[in-house]
Amino acid sequence: GQNIDQPTEMTATEGAIVQINCTYQTSGFNGLFWYQQHAGEAPTFLSYNVLDGLEEKGRFSSFLSRSKGYSYLLLKELQMKDSASYLCAVMDSNYQLIWGAGTKLIIKP
Amino acid sequence: IAGITQAPTSQILAAGRRMTLRCTQDMRHNAMYWYRQDLGLGLRLIHYSNTAGTTGKGEVPDGYSVSRANTDDFPLTLASAVPSQTSVYFCASSDGGANEQFFGPGTRLTVL
Repeated sequence: GQNIDQPTEMTATEGAIVQINCTYQTSGFNGLFWYQQHAGEAPTFLSYNVLDGLEEKGRFSSFLSRSKGYSYLLLKELQMKDSASYLCAVMDSNYQLIWGAGTKLIIKP
Repeated sequence: IAGITQAPTSQILAAGRRMTLRCTQDMRHNAMYWYRQDLGLGLRLIHYSNTAGTTGKGEVPDGYSVSRANTDDFPLTLASAVPSQTSVYFCASSDGGANEQFFGPGTRLTVL
């Protein structure tokens, strides 16, 4: 079966760094996406990885290891506005996205 | 309009009633998708369309139907609503393939 696992909830302090992990087992792999979703709003795209390694985009970075079925999203210099859910999604062999349940990130001052 | 819109924003519906959720995009994207999002679960694909005139079934298609008469519009119909269809419904579009999907603001549907 297809499965995406990520922690349900994490707490971090403003100004700190947090790493949100995602492990996956899917039928085929055409890339891994991270989306941000604020409460009551639509998901918005953060990053896409299809090759192994680290992709950096400002305060956010995303890492992929295809052999381990593993990715993480790294958020630096946390701000209160980063309080949101972070969704990991894998694109399978049919180019359909398989979604994790999301990680709710709580930022404390 | 800019991007992708959905209507209505929210709706309370009696069980057994028919309901159509509307979705329109102005980005000329070929692919469109309907998802439902329930607490504690990831987004689940209901139906998709890779191009105008074609549709396909996703992970949870039962009780739902879609049509894609043109590039811009992708309505989702619940023929006879049931309480288990209470959810937040998101429409999305993309250029297809491994391109990012853009999401509409969602429709919060409650079936009583």
